[in-house]
Amino acid sequence: GAGVSQSPSNKVTEKGKDVELRCDPISGHTALYWYRQSLGQGLEFLIYFQGNSAPDKSGLPSDRFSAERTGGSVSTLTIQRTQQEDSAVYLCASSLERGNNSPLHFGNGTRLTVT
Amino acid sequence: AQSVSQHNHHVILSEAASLELGCNYSYGGTVNLFWYVQYPGQHLQLLHKYLSGDPLVKGIKGFEAEFIKSKFSFNLRKPSVQWSDTAEYFCAVGSGNTGKLIFGQGTTLQVKP
Repeated sequence: GAGVSQSPSNKVTEKGKDVELRCDPISGHTALYWYRQSLGQGLEFLIYFQGNSAPDKSGLPSDRFSAERTGGSVSTLTIQRTQQEDSAVYLCASSLERGNNSPLHFGNGTRLTVT
Repeated sequence: AQSVSQHNHHVILSEAASLELGCNYSYGGTVNLFWYVQYPGQHLQLLHKYLSGDPLVKGIKGFEAEFIKSKFSFNLRKPSVQWSDTAEYFCAVGSGNTGKLIFGQGTTLQVKP
């Protein structure tokens, strides 16, 4: 079946603008995760959703970052007043249920460039 | 706090050479350990996982991974690499409750034909 879908695949924005990144998880997956991969860095955890609630948002770097999930499905990551250091690949993953018994299925990511 | 350290950032090997990628983690409790791989142009995908039981995990594409609790390590090995193994490899640790994983910085493996 279809995997995790992220859009857009690439986004170039000017510093100070807001951006929205979208993630469509695999149908039926209850857990959804956002990660960020910067050049030369590993994957940095941002936020985790179980259903529509976010029990762990400890990785959001600042209050310019927010995320929501609706209908237990699609999630949107919003970055307000973008800065150059926000440039990275933003990855979304979903899993059938929470817990490490269910592997994470990753999307192809959104490459964000802030100029 | 959990952390993961991968020893090598960039490894270049010739085909048929043996591979070992080091991974050490820092966490005091029970951990679950993973290796994910990202082939060029593809998304990250699970290569190996250790949740419990036999600390030597074997299987996919000739790779094996060994959990050594006393060394806080989960190294990835392959006796003879192929050009198609060229990819970026990420080690990750999870504590099991939420499914959240903490990833290492990644190791880029380049296999020369």
